[in-house]
Amino acid sequence: GDSVTQMEGPVTLSEEAFLTINCTYTATGYPSLFWYVQYPGEGLQLLLKATKADDKGSNKGFEATYRKETTSFHLEKGSVQVSDSAVYFCALTLNTGGFKTIFGAGTRLFVKA
Amino acid sequence: DSGVTQTPKHLITATGQRVTLRCSPRSGDLSVYWYQQSLDQGLQFLIQYYNGEERAKGNILERFSAQQFPDLHSELNLSSLELGDSALYFCASSVASGGYEQYFGPGTRLTVT
Repeated sequence: GDSVTQMEGPVTLSEEAFLTINCTYTATGYPSLFWYVQYPGEGLQLLLKATKADDKGSNKGFEATYRKETTSFHLEKGSVQVSDSAVYFCALTLNTGGFKTIFGAGTRLFVKA
Repeated sequence: DSGVTQTPKHLITATGQRVTLRCSPRSGDLSVYWYQQSLDQGLQFLIQYYNGEERAKGNILERFSAQQFPDLHSELNLSSLELGDSALYFCASSVASGGYEQYFGPGTRLTVT
């Protein structure tokens, strides 16, 4: 079935380190791909999205490229800050008659000063 | 602030009871989505409504039901509650159905004792 797999956390980095969170998907159709971020005690917020192959989503220094050939949408940031500490969710939306959304398990990121 | 409101913020109830969670989407958004977030199951898509009609169904139990009213607010009804239903329930909205950004509310934390 359709699914999203993210690297397990927690991921602990020092400030200014490079971040990669891997995300791969399995989908029967042609999904749109998203990264959401959840800060403690809050709901999810969209971080970035890509709707077709080779699209690059970017926001607040984060980037991810829709790779159809490897069914991946890895999240990267060149220099993380303490304020980036949160849980990051990779997600896809598929047209199945209606549009269903499938989230990965989430990856918790801790950034140390 | 995403513009999506959910009430109540917290709910504590006993097994076997029934509760109703309420969601008001962002102004102008026609689609409403419900999600359940628990530690063991992660973030699970339950159901989506678009302009009053059910559009997509995910892992929603038969004991759960939802509806979207003419003013576009939505309610999620949970009945015959079990301990395992304790979770955070999020509502999200989007402007239309499809691969659009979803805006999440702050969630309702349900505790079943």
